[in-house]
Amino acid sequence: RKEVEQDPGPFNVPEGATVAFNCTYSNSASQSFFWYRQDCRKEPKLLMSVYSSGNEDGRFTAQLNRASQYISLLIRDSKLSDSATYLCVVNANAGNNRKLIWGLGTSLAVNP
Amino acid sequence: DAGITQSPRYKITETGRQVTLMCHQTWSHSYMFWYRQDLGHGLRLIYYSAAADITDKGEVPDGYVVSRSKTENFPLTLESATRSQTSVYFCASGNSGNTIYFGEGSWLTVV
Repeated sequence: RKEVEQDPGPFNVPEGATVAFNCTYSNSASQSFFWYRQDCRKEPKLLMSVYSSGNEDGRFTAQLNRASQYISLLIRDSKLSDSATYLCVVNANAGNNRKLIWGLGTSLAVNP
Repeated sequence: DAGITQSPRYKITETGRQVTLMCHQTWSHSYMFWYRQDLGHGLRLIYYSAAADITDKGEVPDGYVVSRSKTENFPLTLESATRSQTSVYFCASGNSGNTIYFGEGSWLTVV
């Protein structure tokens, strides 16, 4: 089993739709979690951190389920500009960046 | 304010040549990283550095050399380039709080 797994997609959704991605992780000692966004031929950019209580940033909501070892990203009212690859990142060693484990990403295409 | 810059952005080189990819950050972040990203493999850590003069191997260090004499610079050298090192290389930096920020990437083709 991979340390961090994501459904590669692609997820094709119409504008205005709500879409959700999950990411599972294997190390129960994982301490911190993030979602990054990567556009085609661009660098990954931090979208949001994921907190135990869940957190929201505008149309984006991230949640953590420690019992089932997954994190989720919900995007409401999808925009064309949301089309990108979403990378799940898990850090099994809090404070040590070296232990960042990256998923392969989930591709999202928002269509007019 | 670019924050973290990489050069060159695009490079074509021949097998066996030495290539150095430069990375410079203006945030005074203590940690710096080099990743490569390939289809089907995602981001793989090559080397990282926790501070000036402190470097350590990541997941795929073979064929690469790094140095960090100054906090702001973290060059990556391919001592003798091979076709398998054709990739996009991302430099990143961050402090101990886990969040890291990437440069725009260096596209390297080895022919």
